[in-house]
Amino acid sequence: DAGVTQSPTHLIKTRGQQVTLRCSPKSGHDTVSWYQQALGQGPQFIFQYYEEEERQRGNFPDRFSGHQFPNYSSELNVNALLLGDSALYLCASSPNKNSPLHFGNGTRLTVT
Amino acid sequence: ELKVEQNPLFLSMQEGKNYTIYCNYSTTSDRLYWYRQDPGKSLESLFVLLSNGAVKQEGRLMASLDTKARLSTLHITAAVHDLSATYFCAVDSRTNDMRFGAGTRLTVKP
Repeated sequence: DAGVTQSPTHLIKTRGQQVTLRCSPKSGHDTVSWYQQALGQGPQFIFQYYEEEERQRGNFPDRFSGHQFPNYSSELNVNALLLGDSALYLCASSPNKNSPLHFGNGTRLTVT
Repeated sequence: ELKVEQNPLFLSMQEGKNYTIYCNYSTTSDRLYWYRQDPGKSLESLFVLLSNGAVKQEGRLMASLDTKARLSTLHITAAVHDLSATYFCAVDSRTNDMRFGAGTRLTVKP
């Protein structure tokens, strides 16, 4: 049983560009959350998707957007990249509210 | 807004010693989680605490939750090198997101 899978694992982009990160949740999980983890810090909540809709959003600008597909997989899009967007982007899935999040291995984004 | 604070942020321990990591949070919640992260790796779930007074133990780690004090502890007993990692607590904010503390970077020295 595959866990949460994310692609790509690493990505280098230039300021002003746009990026799309992808996530497939663990089998049986219908809720996907995205987190940004800067070096040496805890994960910061970006948003959560459930039933193909954004259910909750953290304190991130509109440059950060997402999507969830009918098969529960999800994408995170970041427009107009800034240097400060360099971070590890983690996708997590869960089957219900009382379960812990299952994290993918993340996508390391470097913006130059 | 829910705030989650951990202390200490850095902890260097000798093997065989005991220590406790503290996690305080600012608003009512009865769901708290502990995660472990090894360098360059993702987060691994350690404990799920779902009610006041909950206590969970796994090996040399024991976690507890006091919802009245808005406090969780992660106690390390007789530390070994393999426990070296960063430990995060996370609190369910009841608005469908989970807020993480800044993490405690634990180093266990021989």
